[in-house]
Amino acid sequence: GQNIDQPTEMTATEGAIVQINCTYQTSGFNGLFWYQQHAGEAPTFLSYNVLDGLEEKGRFSSFLSRSKGYSYLLLKELQMKDSASYLCALNTDKLIFGTGTRLQVFP
Amino acid sequence: KAGVTQTPRYLIKTRGQQVTLSCSPISGHRSVSWYQQTPGQGLQFLFEYFSETQRNKGNFPGRFSGRQFSNSRSEMNVSTLELGDSALYLCASRLQGLGSYNEQFFGPGTRLTVL
Repeated sequence: GQNIDQPTEMTATEGAIVQINCTYQTSGFNGLFWYQQHAGEAPTFLSYNVLDGLEEKGRFSSFLSRSKGYSYLLLKELQMKDSASYLCALNTDKLIFGTGTRLQVFP
Repeated sequence: KAGVTQTPRYLIKTRGQQVTLSCSPISGHRSVSWYQQTPGQGLQFLFEYFSETQRNKGNFPGRFSGRQFSNSRSEMNVSTLELGDSALYLCASRLQGLGSYNEQFFGPGTRLTVL
């Protein structure tokens, strides 16, 4: 089966850098998604990693290491609007989500 | 291009009743997946429909069912509602089925409260 772990909550300061980790145990998957979800809203797509390595997209970057069962989402130059939940999800024949990390950004 | 739409947005039911939720995917998308989101369990996969066929099912009881129509619109039904069914129900559409890389777009969700 699959098991995905993320820290429940994180806090950071505006302008800082934060790394949100996602560890998983799975027998196989096609890729790994990261989604952002503001309170009361639908998740929105941030990134998708298939191969090991870093994918950079503006202030957000995502990293995947299949051999270590590990991914992270890196958020730079944090803004107040980045306060949200961040969900990693394994893309198999189903989309398996972690429980999400609630990030609070303080001024 | 219009996004994924879900109706109704909010619903209040009592235990034992049944409910039907509707989802209209993005035009051209053939895959619709349904998820249940609760504070304790997070986002959990219910099922996926692709070209009117259920392709995958999560670990939910048979009270949860769904279907997809020829225009790709999908409905999910929950019968004999229980208090624990209170949740945000999200549907998501994508061009191809799960497993392939296609960005999945979520609808705004239906907030179901069971009293």
